[in-house]
Amino acid sequence: AQSVAQPEDQVNVAEGNPLTVKCTYSVSGNPYLFWYVQYPNRGLQFLLKYITGDNLVKGSYGFEAEFNKSQTSFHLKKPSALVSDSALYFCAVRDDNQGGKLIFGQGTELSVKP
Amino acid sequence: EPEVTQTPSHQVTQMGQEVILRCVPISNHLYFYWYRQILGQKVEFLVSFYNNEISEKSEIFDDQFSVERPDGSNFTLKIRSTKLEDSAMYFCASSGGQGIYQPQHFGDGTRLSIL
Repeated sequence: AQSVAQPEDQVNVAEGNPLTVKCTYSVSGNPYLFWYVQYPNRGLQFLLKYITGDNLVKGSYGFEAEFNKSQTSFHLKKPSALVSDSALYFCAVRDDNQGGKLIFGQGTELSVKP
Repeated sequence: EPEVTQTPSHQVTQMGQEVILRCVPISNHLYFYWYRQILGQKVEFLVSFYNNEISEKSEIFDDQFSVERPDGSNFTLKIRSTKLEDSAMYFCASSGGQGIYQPQHFGDGTRLSIL
């Protein structure tokens, strides 16, 4: 069965510093991986995806993610954090079954302090 | 940018009552989903829907749940007899295709509170 894990419930970063939000995955076939962000009282917003190709994927709002097959990881990164990046971040893997559902990690709360 | 819209934003219902959550997916999308998020827990898949039928459903999606696309624009989730444990945030999502390249786009959710 497909699964993802986000080992950190919370990540604290100072504004201007680089940030990393960790995600590891377990899949039986090819991994199709996604990052979503959730602001308070809002739905999940798509940030980026890895399907195939370059291991470094660039997405919205200056975010990028690094796919590492040997470590089965897909960490979300940003070179310089903004206070406005503070939100809940979800890693997800797309299930290979006919419905194409997303299987989410438990989420990581990112807090960026000025 | 087109959005998925959900109504109401908050629904309070007595246990045992029926509730209908409404969603308007992005207009040219073909695949529709419902997920839920119990407070403090991860987002869980409920059901996927394509071509007027359910593609896949989770164990959560029992006989008390149903989905419908009544008029080609709305996509509804009905819970026939609500239970306390149905209290959660319910998210609707849609995608332009089932292909792996298509991200799912989410609405802002309906917070369902069962009393």
